[in-house]
Amino acid sequence: NAGVTQTPKFRVLKTGQSMTLLCAQDMNHEYMYWYRQDPGMGLRLIHYSVGEGTTAKGEVPDGYNVSRLKKQNFLLGLESAAPSQTSVYFCASSYLSSYGYTFGSGTRLTVV
Amino acid sequence: GENVEQHPSTLSVQEGDSAVIKCTYSDSASNYFPWYKQELGKRPQLIIDIRSNVGEKKDQRIAVTLNKTAKHFSLHITETQPEDSAVYFCAGTTGGTSYGKLTFGQGTILTVHP
Repeated sequence: NAGVTQTPKFRVLKTGQSMTLLCAQDMNHEYMYWYRQDPGMGLRLIHYSVGEGTTAKGEVPDGYNVSRLKKQNFLLGLESAAPSQTSVYFCASSYLSSYGYTFGSGTRLTVV
Repeated sequence: GENVEQHPSTLSVQEGDSAVIKCTYSDSASNYFPWYKQELGKRPQLIIDIRSNVGEKKDQRIAVTLNKTAKHFSLHITETQPEDSAVYFCAGTTGGTSYGKLTFGQGTILTVHP
């Protein structure tokens, strides 16, 4: 039982490049979330999913896209990376609404 | 939507002292309030949570209190130890149609000096 696994752990991108972050959970959780963490700003919700095939925008969705083709996987895409997207990205999942999250180990992304 | 404010942003205590971190929330429909601890370079981990039908919850040296009327909740750590040093985040959600989306406070850096 691995919980929530994120890949990659680190990445450096050049401005304009694209990439996909993968989140996988093996707990059969319905809900999955992508947050970004920046110094002094806590964790801000980018996109979330309430089940296979569903996605919705969070607080800071611009510049990101997501997909949830399988229940256990939630992908976060950056089509054209910008320096403002330099951040630590955390994926999380929860069993139901109003239950605590299980977080992945994070992806540190630097856009130069 | 929900807005969660957390204070203080930094907190320094001596080992053995108590530490208190406070959060306020804006949405009176919020019903679930977890607290997360994040050590340097690690993922946030749930340490305690409270639901709106409960006023206080304890787990060993950690307790959380909730005041629904004033819309604030607090984390209390007693007999602090150096390993309690970390960033602590509060969060809130309305659950239901908000699909468990947590809104996080800005975080408190707790330093416990030996």
